[in-house]
Amino acid sequence: GQQVMQIPQYQHVQEGEDFTTYCNSSTTLSNIQWYKQRPGGHPVFLIQLVKSGEVKKQKRLTFQFGEAKKNSSLHITATQTTDVGTYFCAGRGGATNKLIFGTGTLLAVQP
Amino acid sequence: DTGVSQNPRHKITKRGQNVTFRCDPISEHNRLYWYRQTLGQGPEFLTYFQNEAQLEKSRLLSDRFSAERPKGSFSTLEIQRTEQGDSAMYLCASSVFRVGSNQPQHFGDGTRLSIL
Repeated sequence: GQQVMQIPQYQHVQEGEDFTTYCNSSTTLSNIQWYKQRPGGHPVFLIQLVKSGEVKKQKRLTFQFGEAKKNSSLHITATQTTDVGTYFCAGRGGATNKLIFGTGTLLAVQP
Repeated sequence: DTGVSQNPRHKITKRGQNVTFRCDPISEHNRLYWYRQTLGQGPEFLTYFQNEAQLEKSRLLSDRFSAERPKGSFSTLEIQRTEQGDSAMYLCASSVFRVGSNQPQHFGDGTRLSIL
């Protein structure tokens, strides 16, 4: 079945450093969404990418969708302590409408 | 927008018992999803509804799991004869369905199930 992997599993950065998480799907995706889950919280939608090669920015966050629509990345510039949490990509592929969530990347930011 | 509401927030039960969880989606959302999440993992799709119709169910879901959305509003997820491996956070999410586009899913705070 379809699998979505993310690397790294965990990253610890000093406040102000940059952070990137990578998402790779075993199959071509029709679109990809990114969610953030704070410790003890629920996933919160960040953004959706649909087009091959698409790049979207939200303040310090930059999201990319690969040309082959099988991978994606999230880059945070100059991390802040409020960025702490687990970042999940979630993709849809094939004829299904279900979202397959990635394994997540836990970001820890040291002040 | 009152958000997605789930109850109970926590459920502790003995192995072999049946449990039922409830989810109240955002009122104008016609799609409702159930997920299971264990520590350190992403949400795992269980099933979803469009209005009252259950459109897809994970093959990972055993016959002990059943979900309903009888009037197209709230939904219930029942687990019969619970097992240790059922211990997890059960998340509900809802979204608007629009032809040709996938809308963001809004998650509730979940029901944490612990099997003794």
